[in-house]
Amino acid sequence: GNSVTQMEGPVTLSEEAFLTINCTYTATGYPSLFWYVQYPGEGLQLLLKATKADDKGSNKGFEATYRKETTSFHLEKGSVQVSDSAVYFCALPSYNNNDMRFGAGTRLTVKP
Amino acid sequence: NAGVMQNPRHLVRRRGQEARLRCSPMKGHSHVYWYRQLPEEGLKFMVYLQKENIIDESGMPKERFSAEFPKEGPSILRIQQVVRGDSAAYFCASSPGGGHTDTQYFGPGTRLTVL
Repeated sequence: GNSVTQMEGPVTLSEEAFLTINCTYTATGYPSLFWYVQYPGEGLQLLLKATKADDKGSNKGFEATYRKETTSFHLEKGSVQVSDSAVYFCALPSYNNNDMRFGAGTRLTVKP
Repeated sequence: NAGVMQNPRHLVRRRGQEARLRCSPMKGHSHVYWYRQLPEEGLKFMVYLQKENIIDESGMPKERFSAEFPKEGPSILRIQQVVRGDSAAYFCASSPGGGHTDTQYFGPGTRLTVL
């Protein structure tokens, strides 16, 4: 079935550093790919998504490109802020679209 | 447009009691999903419902757990005779349709603690 493998955390960066969180997927066909963010004590918020190969999703300075050749959807941000500290989840729909399959999550801590 | 609403936000139960978790989807959304998140883990799918129908409950334990999404009112996740291992955050999500391009929007979660 469809699944994602996400870079293990935790990740600790200084403010203004470059961020990459790796995500690779296994899927039947070419489903949409998603990044969600979870702030402490809250639910998941959609960060960005891409619906087809070569699409780039972007939001709040974060970007991820749907790469079919490498089956990847890595999350990047050029300059992180303290407020970006959260847990980031890569996700895709199950093969029958009945649920979302999530990676284990990567905890990011940004220090001033 | 109000987002997905869940209540209560925090629920404490003693072993053997019942827990009822409620979820109101976003306006216009007819698809509801329940997930469970254990501490420091990702979300695990439990059940997918449309109005008055359970579409997929493959992720839900066979005993003590049930879910419904009536014609009127919120979706309910019910856990009977709770045990300590049920302590987790339970998230509800909704979407307008069920296709692979449809985004699921999540509620703030209900954090269940079983004493």
